Amino acid sequence: ETGVTQTPRHLVMGMTNKKSLKCEQHLGHNAMYWYKQSAKKPLELMFVYSLEERVENNSVPSRFSPECPNSSHLFLHLHTLQPEDSALYLCASSQDLWDRGRYHEKLFFGSGTQLSVL
Amino acid sequence: GQNIDQPTEMTATEGAIVQINCTYQTSGFNGLFWYQQHAGEAPTFLSYNVLDGLEEKGRFSSFLSRSKGYSYLLLKELQMKDSASYLCAVRGWNQGGKLIFGQGTELSVKP
Repeated sequence: ETGVTQTPRHLVMGMTNKKSLKCEQHLGHNAMYWYKQSAKKPLELMFVYSLEERVENNSVPSRFSPECPNSSHLFLHLHTLQPEDSALYLCASSQDLWDRGRYHEKLFFGSGTQLSVL
Repeated sequence: GQNIDQPTEMTATEGAIVQINCTYQTSGFNGLFWYQQHAGEAPTFLSYNVLDGLEEKGRFSSFLSRSKGYSYLLLKELQMKDSASYLCAVRGWNQGGKLIFGQGTELSVKP
């Protein structure tokens, strides 16, 4: 148990569906992340929320829409996805610390949502 | 930009020692992490290096050479449960402190 909980664990959806992934962290962290993990590819950072403000969007398609209502909860809203979006979506959290610049402490990951788009 | 390379797959024998290498290129270095990920599970933190040298933690050790852009993870007295994917990740200043991951090394431990 890492203190980061993701639901659902598995999701199958059609290309016209709308669904949402949920993440909750119980660690008191102030930064949360969405990562995409495709087979044989590196973990790809999608979104970062630090202090409830989105600070980065790595050119992710608009069919992915994040929402962070507070420092403990993070959502990823999915709309009109493509089959190539099938992957493991991982949520993570960290404690955002400043020290002569900006950096993040180590990440704590959830178990992920295995998404299949048909 | 940043580039991280590590072998895709490795196989080792139970009780043996294995070294997983990671090379990186980054225009601003602020730490290297190793994570372990079992199939279907969350990646979990193994080690962190920001200065040159060896960090030891039980059966696992991690080494860093910043001048060479090189790290390795050393696993001793291998156990079957060590079969997993090992992810190398680098934090660079030019990425705002965000971690960039390699593709991972799938380690299979055989009896």
